Amino acid sequence: KNEVEQSPQNLTAQEGEFITINCSYSVGISALHWLQQHPGGGIVSLFMLSSGKKKHGRLIATINIQEKHSSLHITASHPRDSAVYICAVPNTGNQFYFGTGTSLTVIP
Amino acid sequence: KAGVTQTPRYLIKTRGQQVTLSCSPISGHRSVSWYQQTPGQGLQFLFEYFSETQRNKGNFPGRFSGRQFSNSRSEMNVSTLELGDSALYLCASSSRTSGGMGSDTQYFGPGTRLTVL
Repeated sequence: KNEVEQSPQNLTAQEGEFITINCSYSVGISALHWLQQHPGGGIVSLFMLSSGKKKHGRLIATINIQEKHSSLHITASHPRDSAVYICAVPNTGNQFYFGTGTSLTVIP
Repeated sequence: KAGVTQTPRYLIKTRGQQVTLSCSPISGHRSVSWYQQTPGQGLQFLFEYFSETQRNKGNFPGRFSGRQFSNSRSEMNVSTLELGDSALYLCASSSRTSGGMGSDTQYFGPGTRLTVL
């Protein structure tokens, strides 16, 4: 049983397309994190949210606490957005659970 | 501010050996967490330290241990290495002092890639 499910696992898009990555979780949480991992391993925290919606540049993250679901949107995608996007959920039992990641490739 | 640093970046060991990895958090951050990333299991939480005390622990065997020093630097030790311990080990620091785990932004280091032969 996975506490965090992400979809899709792999995604290929043309430059400029609107992209959506989904995350569903089954545990009680204090907040949900979206992480970006580029080839080579470095991880960057994109968003931490516990309600509503956050926006940073072309990235938008939303969360629905009642439905236990979050989405990460990328508008006007660019090849530099190619990376693995990981949903991370720290549950109220102080454990950190991670989705398996979505590998995004944006083609010029 | 300098980011999170991890040493060494790459390490090759043989089965049965032990290894110590080091993590220096962002200045002022007192919370340090460790994670293991493998192609099969993805990212998994190992443990979190705050003010020299282990606050939270994931589901890993006792061969995996850690500690934190008074300057917030942290070390992770794996004893009696197994082939399956080959992984990217990441640490992250945050400025959280209270609240549940993950209630603050995590800043990740570049990782240490451990290969066990």
